[in-house]
Amino acid sequence: EPEVTQTPSHQVTQMGQEVILRCVPISNHLYFYWYRQILGQKVEFLVSFYNNEISEKSEIFDDQFSVERPDGSNFTLKIRSTKLEDSAMYFCASSEQGAGETQYFGPGTRLLVL
Amino acid sequence: AQKVTQAQTEISVVEKEDVTLDCVYETRDTTYYLFWYKQPPSGELVFLIRRNSFDEQNEISGRYSWNFQKSTSSFNFTITASQVVDSAVYFCALSGMEAGNMLTFGGGTRLMVKP
Repeated sequence: EPEVTQTPSHQVTQMGQEVILRCVPISNHLYFYWYRQILGQKVEFLVSFYNNEISEKSEIFDDQFSVERPDGSNFTLKIRSTKLEDSAMYFCASSEQGAGETQYFGPGTRLLVL
Repeated sequence: AQKVTQAQTEISVVEKEDVTLDCVYETRDTTYYLFWYKQPPSGELVFLIRRNSFDEQNEISGRYSWNFQKSTSSFNFTITASQVVDSAVYFCALSGMEAGNMLTFGGGTRLMVKP
């Protein structure tokens, strides 16, 4: 069964460093998302992406964040200058269509900023 | 604005007990979708069910059942004859047409099933 994959599974970085989290969505899906989950808290929406552009973003998704689909399969989240509070699990998700469709999540990347 | 409330932060049951996880939502949309996801200790988010706002029929899938009541804005999840493998955090989520593609999650309920 097709699934969303994410790399790396864990990443440790120093405050101020740039990180890139990678995702491969399900191949026939058109909508891609990033969510984050700070340890022990709820899952929070960051951004949605469709047709090579951001369709929605939350207040969390400030200028330090960016997303890209550099080729036909990968979908990346870049954090330019990491802060301690960026430490979280980052989930990528994809769906066939937009609003209301089931979003299938990857296994997540646990980011720790020291 | 959309909101999902899962008032039960933690539930502990003994194996074979039935357990119901509550979910209450708020939305101004007339068309919306409700979801349940399971997050086992390994951390991934596993999709369980999707319902749209026009379909209030209850659904049963094996030991899982869902009760959707628009009148009380609730979408509750019952596990019958719970098993240790059901131990996880369960999230209820909402997607409304007005809010676009984003899922709004509740705070989650941690279910612990003891042998």
